Amino acid sequence: GDSVTQMEGPVTLSEEAFLTINCTYTATGYPSLFWYVQYPGEGLQLLLKATKADDKGSNKGFEATYRKETTSFHLEKGSVQVSDSAVYFCALSDLTGNTPLVFGKGTRLSVIA
Amino acid sequence: GAGVSQTPSNKVTEKGKYVELRCDPISGHTALYWYRQSLGQGPEFLIYFQGTGAADDSGLPNDRFFAVRPEGSVSTLKIQRTERGDSAVYLCASSELLNTGELFFGEGSRLTVL
Repeated sequence: GDSVTQMEGPVTLSEEAFLTINCTYTATGYPSLFWYVQYPGEGLQLLLKATKADDKGSNKGFEATYRKETTSFHLEKGSVQVSDSAVYFCALSDLTGNTPLVFGKGTRLSVIA
Repeated sequence: GAGVSQTPSNKVTEKGKYVELRCDPISGHTALYWYRQSLGQGPEFLIYFQGTGAADDSGLPNDRFFAVRPEGSVSTLKIQRTERGDSAVYLCASSELLNTGELFFGEGSRLTVL
């Protein structure tokens, strides 16, 4: 079945450092790809998405590009802030096939001042 | 309220007991989802509703788990004869339309089975 693999955490960075969280996927069809974020004490929320190959999703300074050739959707940010400390989940869904979101295990990011 | 509301936020019960977890979705959202998140894992799909009917219940682990949404709004996840392995955070999410991938999650109900 469809699955998502993301890099294990925790990841600890200093403020203003560059962030990459790797995500690769396995899918039989042509899924849409998502990054969700869970801030402390809050529910998961959508950070960004891309629905087809070579699309770039972006939000709040975060970016991820849908790479079909490498089946990847790595999350990047050029300069992290303490407020970015959260757990990040990569997810996929075959929207045309009515399949629910499949999530990775999550990567905890801690940014220190 | 403005967001997805789940009650209780914490539930501690004994093995073998019956538990109900409630989800109040965002007003007007027709799709409602239940996920389960164990420690160190991502959310695992259980069931989703489109309106009152369960569109996909393939994620329910066994027949001890059941969910209803009788009026197309509030949903209840019911767990019979709880086991220690049922301990997890149960997440509810809703979306305005089916299959956009944009789900709005509640904060979850943490279930501990002793």
